[in-house]
Amino acid sequence: DTEVTQTPKHLVMGMTNKKSLKCEQHMGHRAMYWYKQKAKKPPELMFVYSYEKLSINESVPSRFSPECPNSSLLNLHLHALQPEDSALYLCASSQPGGGVQETQYFGPGTRLLVL
Amino acid sequence: GNSVTQMEGPVTLSEEAFLTINCTYTATGYPSLFWYVQYPGEGLQLLLKATKADDKGSNKGFEATYRKETTSFHLEKGSVQVSDSAVYFCALKRETSYDKVIFGPGTSLSVIP
Repeated sequence: DTEVTQTPKHLVMGMTNKKSLKCEQHMGHRAMYWYKQKAKKPPELMFVYSYEKLSINESVPSRFSPECPNSSLLNLHLHALQPEDSALYLCASSQPGGGVQETQYFGPGTRLLVL
Repeated sequence: GNSVTQMEGPVTLSEEAFLTINCTYTATGYPSLFWYVQYPGEGLQLLLKATKADDKGSNKGFEATYRKETTSFHLEKGSVQVSDSAVYFCALKRETSYDKVIFGPGTSLSVIP
């Protein structure tokens, strides 16, 4: 099973709201990722967690706050977002230490609209 | 730096036509290469991968061969179906653990009956 699940599927929020995106995997992977994808563009990396510790932050604004409560779950907390943050947010996971064998598996994404 | 270049399209083909989507890469070392597919309104699905030179990845009738001498990983399918309509991303990942996947710009494919 190579399934990564994400909730909610769609989210509409105002610029003053606080919301969270959730991601879950049960493949025993110890690395999890958040990517942002704008329409007709490839995904761009935001954060990487490895063994529940934040290992990469691609200079993402602080209005995005990731959290990895355990090895299966990854959250992305959203606060005071801007309309330009509207995008598809993709979660992925992989088993680190595999070098070139390491493959990232993606979830279906959360489509976010900020009004 | 590391990068992926692919034909952006859109590509429009008739059902049962032969498909080639070109992909070339620039990378140091020995990266893994991937094709991901994104169907309308969905997330990314891994289509196939290759981890070393001359490896051939294949899945669902699609194939791609890791060519180090030409730094290429072209995607091919002998007979496309309407259900293959999607955006296809060529991607690479360096040898470093838990590193980001570097994507090409994506190629939009439409298959018409």
